[in-house]
Amino acid sequence: EVQLVESGGGLVQPGGYLRLSCEASGFAFSRYWMSWVRQAPGMGLDWVANIKHDGSERYFRDSVKGRFTISRDNARKSLYLQMNGLRAEDTGVYYCARESTSGIDAFDIWGRGTLVTVSS
Amino acid sequence: DIQMTQSPSAMSASVGDRVTITCRASQGIGNYLAWFQQRPGKVPQRVIYAISSLQSGVPLRFSGSGSGTEFTLTISSLQPEDFAIYYCLQHNSYPYTFGQGTRLEIK
Repeated sequence: EVQLVESGGGLVQPGGYLRLSCEASGFAFSRYWMSWVRQAPGMGLDWVANIKHDGSERYFRDSVKGRFTISRDNARKSLYLQMNGLRAEDTGVYYCARESTSGIDAFDIWGRGTLVTVSS
Repeated sequence: DIQMTQSPSAMSASVGDRVTITCRASQGIGNYLAWFQQRPGKVPQRVIYAISSLQSGVPLRFSGSGSGTEFTLTISSLQPEDFAIYYCLQHNSYPYTFGQGTRLEIK
């Protein structure tokens, strides 16, 4: 079964840090671009960052540049999001999503998400 | 950044109705346009990709169309399980951007 499972969320104080993980199974993880998408409580979806299949390219939304880092370990079939300098506005459910190998056929598989709460 | 503007933001309809949701991009995005359905408390699920390609397992009553900067998602005959929030997404250029969502409610 094709699956993504996130972990690592929790309650953290403003200025703190968390590392999210996403473990993939059931597909050739090393061939796919991967993304993180978040959703603040009661709000819409926001793309956060992505990484190329070999880790050679990474892109971020402006509001997280310099604070978040995305990485992957293809041998472990895992994707990571290191979040530093957390702010209240970073609160939300963080989803790991499979992008594509070719560009067009993207975001077909999503994990169930992990909740990040930034609060004092 | 490319702005994705969905309309309407919310709508109510009855089972059996035909509904259309529109997404307008602030600039051209080629065919890098997808639609997602999110039921309450659930994970977003892709229903359409590449403007008009139907996700495997999604009912044929869902269809997508458009080009350039204007795109539509149509549900030909609403079923009870279709009442949800729908989002469009452009993944042509960074940062990828979602529309604000269209809440489809039962009349």
